[in-house]
Amino acid sequence: DIQMTQSPSSLSASVGDRVTITCRASQSISSFLNWYQQKPGKAPKPLIYAASSLQRGVPSRFSGSGSGTDFTLSISSLQPEDSATYYCQQSSSTPITFGQGTRLEIK
Amino acid sequence: QVQLVESGGGVVQPGKSLRLSCAASGFTFSKYSIHCVRQAPGKGLEWVALISYDGSGKYYADSVKGRFTISRDNSKNTVYLQMNSLRAEDTAVYYCARENTVTRVSWFDPWGQGTLVTVSS
Repeated sequence: DIQMTQSPSSLSASVGDRVTITCRASQSISSFLNWYQQKPGKAPKPLIYAASSLQRGVPSRFSGSGSGTDFTLSISSLQPEDSATYYCQQSSSTPITFGQGTRLEIK
Repeated sequence: QVQLVESGGGVVQPGKSLRLSCAASGFTFSKYSIHCVRQAPGKGLEWVALISYDGSGKYYADSVKGRFTISRDNSKNTVYLQMNSLRAEDTAVYYCARENTVTRVSWFDPWGQGTLVTVSS
């Protein structure tokens, strides 16, 4: 199975800050990497697919990069509504696996 | 609009069975693979199962293999997850999600609202 490791597990940042979350795969997954945002009590929502493609309707302050084993999710100018938990997910092979999540708090 | 709605969750005793349903609307259901993902209370996301668009391909996480069975009825736009021999560690919110694919890349969108399964005596 492909293991996905996110860092940090949690972070706190201020409105307007630039935030970066990293995700590392235990083996190469090319660009088969997706990012989701989940708010408490809600289902996850896709943000980025194929490592760097922005899901329709997602604000352009979100961006993704990387390929192979190392990936990043960036938020260019943090907004209050970005408070959530973020998950990376590999879709290279089954079993599909997720990172453990990164909880983002707005100061 | 494109929508998935789960149902069938509840409280069940260890060793018993439960069947979840995932009803789809707003898209051509028979063209899409569907995944089940669960989330234990306060924990992260765990992929559970996948069924291909026509039901010919089924895949499971090791943690549920041999106990859970995924199926679909394309005439009813519904996916089912039959869960047998339930354990306390199966307690979770269960989501279904549609698999979108573009040039071999796939991701989950949309997700259902989730249904809570609690395994407890």
